[in-house]
Parts: sequence; C-alpha cells; structure tokens
Amino acid sequence: GAVVSQHPSRVICKSGTSVKIECRSLDFQATTMFWYRQFPKQSLMLMATSNEGSKATYEQGVEKDKFLINHASLTLSTLTVTSAHPEDSSFYICSARDSEMSKLFFGSGTQLSVL
Amino acid sequence: GQNIDQPTEMTATEGAIVQINCTYQTSGFNGLFWYQQHAGEAPTFLSYNVLDGLEEKGRFSSFLSRSKGYSYLLLKELQMKDSASYLCAVVDSNYQLIWGAGTKLIIKP
Repeated sequence: GAVVSQHPSRVICKSGTSVKIECRSLDFQATTMFWYRQFPKQSLMLMATSNEGSKATYEQGVEKDKFLINHASLTLSTLTVTSAHPEDSSFYICSARDSEMSKLFFGSGTQLSVL
Repeated sequence: GQNIDQPTEMTATEGAIVQINCTYQTSGFNGLFWYQQHAGEAPTFLSYNVLDGLEEKGRFSSFLSRSKGYSYLLLKELQMKDSASYLCAVVDSNYQLIWGAGTKLIIKP
C-alpha cells in the first residue's frame, strides 16, 4: 500500500537554529500535502496545505516566514522551522493525498525538541 | 455539529484482549486516527484507516466502518505498558482533525 515517509522521526536542536523535516510519498504522486502540529496534551492542528509547484496556504495564526514549506516535486514536501525557539517544540506530522485515489496517507511524525 | 464518542475509561487484565470503540459524526471523512498517549507525553501514532475493514499491526488492530461511522482499536496480549489513554481522531472534509476525549485504559495484573 501507499506509504508516506517522514524524516527525521526525532530531532533535538539549539535555540536559533533551523530544522528541516521531509515528507515523501514513496509509491504515489501527491499533488497536495498537509502539515500538522501538535503541542503536548493538545489536539493536532493543521498548519498549512502545500500544493506542488505553488505557494503553501497557511492556516490562521501560523507564521509563514517561520514555517517554510516547499513542495517542489510530486513526491516531496519539506517543512523548515527557521530560527527555532523552545516554544516550537512540538510533534509535527505530514500527510499526502494520493491524487488518483483521493486518499490521505500520513507520515509517522517528527518530535522536535528545541533547547 | 461534529462529534466523536469513545468511552472515558476501561479496565482490562494483563494478557487479555480489549476493544476500544469510537463513533463519529463529522462534516466529511478523510480517515481516522488512533493514538496512544502516556501521561505527560506526546501522543504516539498507532494507526490510520481510510477504507473499511481491519488493519493489523502486531498486537494492535484497527477497524473502520464508514457507513456506520464506527471504528475500534483492538489490543491483544495486554501488557502493563499498554496502560495509557487512547485517542480517536477523524480527519474532516477540511483536513482538520476532530478529536475524541480519549479512553483511559487501565491494565491490572
């Protein structure tokens, strides 16, 4: 079946550095990918919708300059957390929509800890 | 409105089997998650179902019936470390996740 690979699964970084998270659809083309964020003990929240070849659409309250999303190909989207701060520590998860089957597949998530 | 229902708390015995049910009423459906969450920790992804049927992953299985708005998580050969909260969440038509309140599972020796 379709698989979405998300890397890294866990990352610890220093405050002020940038972290890139990759989301790959392994055996299907994904014209649309989604990025979610979850804070401890809270719900998973949609951050942005990423369409291949165009700018991402960000949800209200999400800083586009801080969370850079690139969807340069039909199988890869990246989320870069720029100048990370401890409050950015969270669980980030991506999903990709199979354009042929209209199904949604999720990555296994990335636990980001900013020290 | 959108609604996810799951039992508040369940108790089971080590080595046994337990089934945690989840029913939902949402605006659209793009899949259903099950998460495990230990106290004070971030939830851990367990399963994602978008098609009807049963998906098995080791000791854990998840079932979905879209026509009934129903899912269950089945845990076999229960271990003490399985004591946790289990969260059901549905992805709606806007790709937002709608969360249940979680089921606290208590495992007794």
